[in-house]
Amino acid sequence: DTGVSQDPRHKITKRGQNVTFRCDPISEHNRLYWYRQTLGQGPEFLTYFQNEAQLEKSRLLSDRFSAERPKGSFSTLEIQRTEQGDSAMYLCASSLAGTSGWDEQFFGPGTRLTVL
Amino acid sequence: AQSVTQPDIHITVSEGASLELRCNYSYGATPYLFWYVQSPGQGLQLLLKYFSGDTLVQGIKGFEAEFKRSQSSFNLRKPSVHWSDAAEYFCAVGAYNQGGKLIFGQGTELSVKP
Repeated sequence: DTGVSQDPRHKITKRGQNVTFRCDPISEHNRLYWYRQTLGQGPEFLTYFQNEAQLEKSRLLSDRFSAERPKGSFSTLEIQRTEQGDSAMYLCASSLAGTSGWDEQFFGPGTRLTVL
Repeated sequence: AQSVTQPDIHITVSEGASLELRCNYSYGATPYLFWYVQSPGQGLQLLLKYFSGDTLVQGIKGFEAEFKRSQSSFNLRKPSVHWSDAAEYFCAVGAYNQGGKLIFGQGTELSVKP
């Protein structure tokens, strides 16, 4: 399968712990996005990369959140000192930037985080 | 600021019946509009998109949507629903040349009665 993959699929942690999620995009895609989805809501944009450069971050992304894409391939999203409000599905998407002004995003299955 | 409203949180239709899911958007210029479907345990899948041109767009799985600028709407339709269409449906708006960031509505959950 050459789609977007995310690891782990599920993570349960205690409040105050740090967690890290990984996203592997479709291999030729140069853009990578992170979204957060809470129960009963649509996905909310967190941040995106073009190659290794982080081009935009949402105000939702507090100082406890950090994302990297060191070699322009996979990306990690780290949450430090987790809070119960961080419980959500974290979605990753990738796309190939084109000339149309918009590119189709392909989504991974998500990582579900539960903070106890 | 861009925003998307999906007025119906949950809709139930009978198998074989027609379906319309509502979506209203707020955006200052001509938006890029999308419908995605999300099944349990699955990633979001793009059903269709509108950029410009013909305001009636066809998508996968027999879905279509109509862009109405005067009503700021982009409603999703299907003439005959199948049991496998039961899922969560999201409308989203994107802005031209803004990196593809999408703003999603809160979603409409579709249940299909046999």
